[in-house]
Amino acid sequence: NAGVTQTPKFRILKIGQSMTLQCTQDMNHNYMYWYRQDPGMGLKLIYYSVGAGITDKGEVPNGYNVSRSTTEDFPLRLELAAPSQTSVYFCASSHGKTQTGNSNQPQHFGDGTRLSIL
Amino acid sequence: RKEVEQDPGPFNVPEGATVAFNCTYSNSASQSFFWYRQDCRKEPKLLMSVYSSGNEDGRFTAQLNRASQYISLLIRDSKLSDSATYLCVVNDGYKLSFGAGTTVTVRA
Repeated sequence: NAGVTQTPKFRILKIGQSMTLQCTQDMNHNYMYWYRQDPGMGLKLIYYSVGAGITDKGEVPNGYNVSRSTTEDFPLRLELAAPSQTSVYFCASSHGKTQTGNSNQPQHFGDGTRLSIL
Repeated sequence: RKEVEQDPGPFNVPEGATVAFNCTYSNSASQSFFWYRQDCRKEPKLLMSVYSSGNEDGRFTAQLNRASQYISLLIRDSKLSDSATYLCVVNDGYKLSFGAGTTVTVRA
C-alpha cells in the first residue's frame, strides 16, 4: 500500500498562474480532505469529500476548487495563484463513519506539497 | 474562540524527564479525539487516539475530560526522538479540527 500520494512535492508559481495538486489514495477510504498549513500555524481545512461525486467547503475554500470523480483521487485546483496561497498543502483520507455510526476514524496524510507563489 | 487551543510551548526537557500538556476544545458535541505528531516540515502522523477512560501507549498517556473539554498528553522517560510538535485533534463527526501544536524539545 502506498497510502496517500501527493504530487508534486514542490512547486513555484507566478501570480495568476493555475495548477492542480494531485492526491490519490489506495486504501479505499471514502473520506478525503485538503488542508493548508502556514508556518507556525495549525492545519486549516480547505475542502473535503465524503465520497465520489460529493465535495464540501471547509474553513478556507476561497481561491480553490476540487473534484471527486473517483474514490481514489481528490485533486485540488488553484485557478489564479496569489501570494497568500503560499503554503504547505496536505491531502488526507480516512474511513467514514462505520455502520454503527462510529466516526472515530483517524486520518492518514500524504507527504505534502510545498507551494510558493511569487 | 478557536475550536482547538493548545499551549504552543516550547517545552524544553532533559532526556528521561516527564512532560505533560493539554489542549482545550470548544465544541461540546465533539465525538472523538486524537494526538498527532508532526516533525519539522513533515506530514502529521497519528500518535494515538484518546478514549474516555484514558489510555496508554508505551510511554505516552492520553486523558480526556469531557466535562471541562480538555485533552492531555503525558510523555514519560522522554527520548531525544520525542522532539516534535504534538497536534491535538478533535473530530466533530465528519471533519477534524487541529490545534496549532505544542512543541517539545528533548535535550541530551
